[in-house]
Order: sequence, then C-alpha cells, then structure tokens
Amino acid sequence: EVQLVESGGGLVKPGSSLKLSCVASGFTFSSYGMHWIRQAPKKGLEWIALIYYDSSNKYYADSVKGRFTISRDNSKNTLYLEMNSLRSEDTAMYYCAKFDWELGFDYWGQGVMVTVSS
Amino acid sequence: DIQMTQSPSVLSASVGDRVTLSCKASQNINKNLDWYQQKLGEAPKLLIYFTNNLQTGIPSRFSGSGSGTDYTLTISSLQPEDVATYFCFQYNSGWTFGGGTKLELK
Repeated sequence: EVQLVESGGGLVKPGSSLKLSCVASGFTFSSYGMHWIRQAPKKGLEWIALIYYDSSNKYYADSVKGRFTISRDNSKNTLYLEMNSLRSEDTAMYYCAKFDWELGFDYWGQGVMVTVSS
Repeated sequence: DIQMTQSPSVLSASVGDRVTLSCKASQNINKNLDWYQQKLGEAPKLLIYFTNNLQTGIPSRFSGSGSGTDYTLTISSLQPEDVATYFCFQYNSGWTFGGGTKLELK
C-alpha cells in the first residue's frame, strides 16, 4: 500500500524557517518525481515545487522561489521542503504528492499544517 | 505562465442531475490535464488523467473531455457522495491548478 506521511509543520513567526518531511512507502520512491502542493485556509490548491526522481532538476513556483528548497534522500525514501523567510501568506496545509507522468498525482499525503503568525 | 480558469466557482445541483464543470486554459495545453476531487477535510484524489482517462476505482459516472484550451468534467448522475470541490490541473507547461468548483446539493 502506498503511503506518504508528512511531518514537521507547526506555528512559527514571520521570518522563521521550517523543514517539512514526507516519508514514502509502498512504491519505488527513487523512480518518481515528487511534488509539494499547498492549500491556504479555505482556498484552492497551489503547486509549489517539483524534484525529479534523481534530484537532477528542481522547479519552483514564483511565490516561493529563492525562499523554499525541495530535496530528497532516496536512501531514506524521504522528500523534504526547507522553508526560509516565512511570511503570513505561507500559512497553509502542505501536501506531498507522487507524480506519475501517465497518471498525474496518483497519491497524496494527508497534509501538514504550517501557520506563520506573530 | 499558463492560467487555468474554472467555472462556475459554485454549482448547486440535485441528486440524479447531469453536472458539467468547465476548465479553460490560457493557452493550448495539449490535453495534459487532470481532474481532482477534494472532500472537506481530506487530501485531493485523482479522478481523471490526461483529459479523459478514468483513474482506477473511480465510478464510471465521472468522465472528462476536451482539447486545446477547453476541458470538461461531467458527472452523469450526481450522487450525494459527489459533494466536493473539483480542481483541474495542467502540466503541459509548468504546473497549474484551476481555482476549483465547489459542488453542492440543491
């Protein structure tokens, strides 16, 4: 059974840093690109970052470019999102998702909440 | 960047109705479009991939169509469990979600 389990969220002050993790199981993690997607309270979904299966390419939404860094450790089946210079507008539920080029986002984590507030 | 516009933003319909949700891209996305369903308090779930392919386990009352810039998700006979917000997503150039359509029961 495929599982994606996020952790590392919480309440932080503006300007702070936070690192999210997503532990994958039930599939060959090292074969798939992985994404982070977020959803602000009562808002829609926002794609924020992609990392290729081998970390060779990384892409970011303009809203997080230069502040967030996506990475992965295939030996640990873990995806990361390092978030720096956090702003109130980064408050959201953050989801990791497995992307299959033939199927789309076929598996999602349960999400982890990040709240940026003074 | 490609913009995705969904309409309507809110749709009220009755059980048994045929329901059509629209998604319009700001440029041709070559059918590289998926549909996701998100129920309250849950993570999104893949319904349709590459415009018109039904994900395993999804009821056949869901279908997708479209080409170029215009895409549609259709529910042939609305069921109470279909109450959710539906998002389209393009991956032809960059990655962009539509703003969503909230589907309610009348």
